[in-house]
Amino acid sequence: GAGVSQSPRYKVAKRGQDVALRCDPISGHVSLFWYQQALGQGPEFLTYFQNEAQLDKSGLPSDRFFAERPEGSVSTLKIQRTQQEDSAVYLCASSLISGTGIYNEQFFGPGTRLTVL
Amino acid sequence: QKEVEQNSGPLSVPEGAIASLNCTYSDRGSQSFFWYRQYSGKSPELIMFIYSNGDKEDGRFTAQLNKASQYVSLLIRDSQPSDSATYLCAVNRPPTDSNYQLIWGAGTKLIIKP
Repeated sequence: GAGVSQSPRYKVAKRGQDVALRCDPISGHVSLFWYQQALGQGPEFLTYFQNEAQLDKSGLPSDRFFAERPEGSVSTLKIQRTQQEDSAVYLCASSLISGTGIYNEQFFGPGTRLTVL
Repeated sequence: QKEVEQNSGPLSVPEGAIASLNCTYSDRGSQSFFWYRQYSGKSPELIMFIYSNGDKEDGRFTAQLNKASQYVSLLIRDSQPSDSATYLCAVNRPPTDSNYQLIWGAGTKLIIKP
């Protein structure tokens, strides 16, 4: 069956450029999470959607980061005026039900590796 | 102090031996604990979750939770070269109406030597 997909898989941006990263979650999954993972580190939470509602955006590092999930399925993470410190792998995960309880396994996409020059 | 701490390793274990991975967390209100495996260049995948004190076994894997000491561990029996990966510990923040975060450790790199 189809898993979580992300596009593009790789993105090279010049400093100051805007980028948009797409996530297609597993069909029917209520929850969608975005994470940022730097090399050699664990994922860092960015934001959480329950269907189309963005319930937690406390992890977004600055107002240059914006995420949306307008119809409760596909989500887009947008980064404006990219900086070198934004270089990382951006992971999207979806789960069947809401929240982070024990029965709510998160399924991860392959990630988008963003390099800002 | 990080909220979730793991030894970064690498932890080198001979094939067939037991690999022991440890994780400590700082928030006593955390309720759900997860172990994910991440192969190099790949995304994390769930190995086990645990929420009660004690041991939970699933095949060659055993998760152990001690809430009083605030640590969770993962044991891998009969280690195989295919177990070589980074193991990530994730802990949920005490749930509230506005909190949906899993807090992740930096991971322990495990190397199983044939």
